[in-house]
Amino acid sequence: AQKVTQAQTEISVVEKEDVTLDCVYETRDTTYYLFWYKQPPSGELVFLIRRNSFDEQNEISGRYSWNFQKSTSSFNFTITASQVVDSAVYFCALGGSGTYKYIFGTGTRLKVLA
Amino acid sequence: NAGVTQTPKFRVLKTGQSMTLLCAQDMNHEYMYWYRQDPGMGLRLIHYSVGEGTTAKGEVPDGYNVSRLKKQNFLLGLESAAPSQTSVYFCASSPPSRRYTDTQYFGPGTRLTVL
Repeated sequence: AQKVTQAQTEISVVEKEDVTLDCVYETRDTTYYLFWYKQPPSGELVFLIRRNSFDEQNEISGRYSWNFQKSTSSFNFTITASQVVDSAVYFCALGGSGTYKYIFGTGTRLKVLA
Repeated sequence: NAGVTQTPKFRVLKTGQSMTLLCAQDMNHEYMYWYRQDPGMGLRLIHYSVGEGTTAKGEVPDGYNVSRLKKQNFLLGLESAAPSQTSVYFCASSPPSRRYTDTQYFGPGTRLTVL
């Protein structure tokens, strides 16, 4: 069975702090894809990143970075020097090989306080 | 490009009423999806379509029907609304890929309340 766990329901940080959002997944597929989406207070879902299971290179995009580790089935997301605009709910999702469907985690609400 | 649009943005229904939510995409994507989002439960797939004229059940299909008569449109119907269907509904689309689950692009959502 496929499953995505985001154990952190809500995180509060003060502006400029670094914060890491955890994502742990379960799958029997050997090829799979992992995604992060951001849902700001306005409600839309914004695509952030897609990673495939055979590329464990970490990725950095501006203040965002992602740490993918197959050995621990984790795909964690770090925001460096957080800003108030980063306040949102962040979802991790898993997509299997040959399917069209995502399995979403329950989301982590990040509050960045000024 | 407008991307993925949803109509309406808000709706209030009484129990037993019916309605149709419309999703439209202008990215020429083959695949389309309907999700519902409830507090603490993430997004759950209701139905999806891998092409014009084809639909399939997702994780929580009961109480909903869908149709994909045109490639760019995906309709979600509630024949007899129930309070348990109070939720935020998201439509998404993605390009076709035989090998992997491609990125899904989401609409702005429809907030539905059933009294």
